[in-house]
Amino acid sequence: GDSVTQMEGPVTLSEEAFLTINCTYTATGYPSLFWYVQYPGEGLQLLLKATKADDKGSNKGFEATYRKETTSFHLEKGSVQVSDSAVYFCALKKTQGGSEKLVFGKGTKLTVNP
Amino acid sequence: SQTIHQWPATLVQPVGSPLSLECTVEGTSNPNLYWYRQAAGRGLQLLFYSVGIGQISSEVPQNLSASRPQDRQFILSSKKLLLSDSGFYLCAWSLFSGGAETQYFGPGTRLLVL
Repeated sequence: GDSVTQMEGPVTLSEEAFLTINCTYTATGYPSLFWYVQYPGEGLQLLLKATKADDKGSNKGFEATYRKETTSFHLEKGSVQVSDSAVYFCALKKTQGGSEKLVFGKGTKLTVNP
Repeated sequence: SQTIHQWPATLVQPVGSPLSLECTVEGTSNPNLYWYRQAAGRGLQLLFYSVGIGQISSEVPQNLSASRPQDRQFILSSKKLLLSDSGFYLCAWSLFSGGAETQYFGPGTRLLVL
């Protein structure tokens, strides 16, 4: 079945460091891909998305490129801030039974120290 | 604009007691609705989804049930809670569009079963 694999955390970085969180997927066809972020004590928020191969999603300095050849959607940011500390989820969307469902990775916890 | 509400925010319940968590969406019609559980170290798991009133699909067998008595109301229930039901429960909504629609999440309910 469809699945998403994320790099295991936790990840701890210093402020202004470069961030990469790896995400690979297994799916039939060409799913849409998403990154969601969960700040402490809150629900999930969409961070960025991409709908087809070679699309680049970007938001708040974060970027991810849909790579069909490597079935990957790695999240990157050039200079992280303390406020980026959160749990990041990679997800793909599949359509089934008239509903569109997200399949999530297990999440990667990021801590950014000043 | 659309908003999604969940309550209560936090709940502590004894083993064997009943459960009722409520989720409501405002500002949209006929949304797809979802219940997820986030357990420590296990990522995000889809429990139920609904494409319309009275239409519930269960993703995994468990001690929980869901109902959708109104278009924008989604309820998660249990007759007798287990210790393993502890977790963070998230409700989400989306509109089926055939494209890369986004799921929007509520603030979540933290449930602790003792």
